[in-house]
Amino acid sequence: DGGITQSPKYLFRKEGQNVTLSCEQNLNHDAMYWYRQDPGQGLRLIYYSQIVNDFQKGDIAEGYSVSREKKESFPLTVTSAQKNPTAFYLCASTGTGGLQPQHFGDGTRLSIL
Amino acid sequence: QKEVEQDPGPLSVPEGAIVSLNCTYSNSAFQYFMWYRQYSRKGPELLMYTYSSGNKEDGRFTAQVDKSSKYISLFIRDSQPSDSATYLCAMSSLANYGGSQGNLIFGKGTKLSVKP
Repeated sequence: DGGITQSPKYLFRKEGQNVTLSCEQNLNHDAMYWYRQDPGQGLRLIYYSQIVNDFQKGDIAEGYSVSREKKESFPLTVTSAQKNPTAFYLCASTGTGGLQPQHFGDGTRLSIL
Repeated sequence: QKEVEQDPGPLSVPEGAIVSLNCTYSNSAFQYFMWYRQYSRKGPELLMYTYSSGNKEDGRFTAQVDKSSKYISLFIRDSQPSDSATYLCAMSSLANYGGSQGNLIFGKGTKLSVKP
């Protein structure tokens, strides 16, 4: 079945450590997105990519980095510069052409050890 | 004023009730409106999406957009315990979203509990 796969489901980070969250889609979507969800805060956009080898900062990009080397993959690195990384991270994708809704993966919950 | 306001609830109703979930917004450029359902520890699942004003019905769900009042609603008829989840509204101006820039603006979500 087509969909978006995020891994791992749970991740723990030590102080000063970078961690990478995986997002893979087999929907043949061009555009992919990373959101952060905190309790009572709604979803906030971290980074998005409309095409391979190109990506743009969202509203809260500081302390995060991404790459888009393949159409189906959009990994997110949470760097040690992100001082408050504990959150639920969601990856989404959408097709292009006309109005296309975003489809989400099941998220990665990141916590600090 | 926040761009999108959504009552966080929690909202508790008995099984079979009609549920009304609402969002207000301030940006008159918003043209594209969505409702997502999110179960605990899961990603949001798209329920309904509408363009501009009017109503859209899908089974027990009806989405309503009133652009003159900057107000959108999701109605759930004959609510079931399986409808217990957090409901997120999301919206975008046509210019942003049509270019797949993905700048959807989300409400904070309303937590719904349907009691058997």
